[in-house]
Amino acid sequence: KNEVEQSPQNLTAQEGEFITINCSYSVGISALHWLQQHPGGGIVSLFMLSSGKKKHGRLIATINIQEKHSSLHITASHPRDSAVYICAVENYGGSQGNLIFGKGTKLSVKP
Amino acid sequence: EAGVTQSPTHLIKTRGQQATLRCSPISGHTSVYWYQQALGLGLQFLLWYDEGEERNRGNFPPRFSGRQFPNYSSELNVNALELEDSALYLCASSFRVKANQPQHFGDGTRLSIL
Repeated sequence: KNEVEQSPQNLTAQEGEFITINCSYSVGISALHWLQQHPGGGIVSLFMLSSGKKKHGRLIATINIQEKHSSLHITASHPRDSAVYICAVENYGGSQGNLIFGKGTKLSVKP
Repeated sequence: EAGVTQSPTHLIKTRGQQATLRCSPISGHTSVYWYQQALGLGLQFLLWYDEGEERNRGNFPPRFSGRQFPNYSSELNVNALELEDSALYLCASSFRVKANQPQHFGDGTRLSIL
């Protein structure tokens, strides 16, 4: 079993829809990251959070430490949101300093 | 402010050769991380350098190595290249880990092994 699981693997939405991507992890963490990867390969860091909720524009990220679960929400989705969204955790202890990644959720938003 | 820069963008090598990939972190960042993204696989942690020292490495053979220079730029070296080394190699930088800072990624080097 992977230490970081994301769902769904693939997601197709119509422009304007509300989107939720889920991430569950099984290790103790110091922080959780949500990343966006466009087809060219470059990665943009969207959020880093260790508790509660963060909002940036149309993006909202939440984390429940007790349940070891995080969600990324996109409100009023747009075709430019089409990308792979990756959840990653910073594991305190033996894996200090590096990120453990989920396999990503490929989002396609149709006009 | 310049972001994380990686060079080259693309690199084509043959089996058995050696590859050198370069990364310049954001100014002020002392930590550099290397990740591998092979086709069909998720991102995997390779190496972490901070203040010139290797701090941690992932589950990769010793032919994957690197170093960090006094100006905090970094090189990733891959010796005795194998076909399965074909991947996108991403570099990220951050302020020191203790500050719990986010990582900023470069656009990657796409390494193709023929």
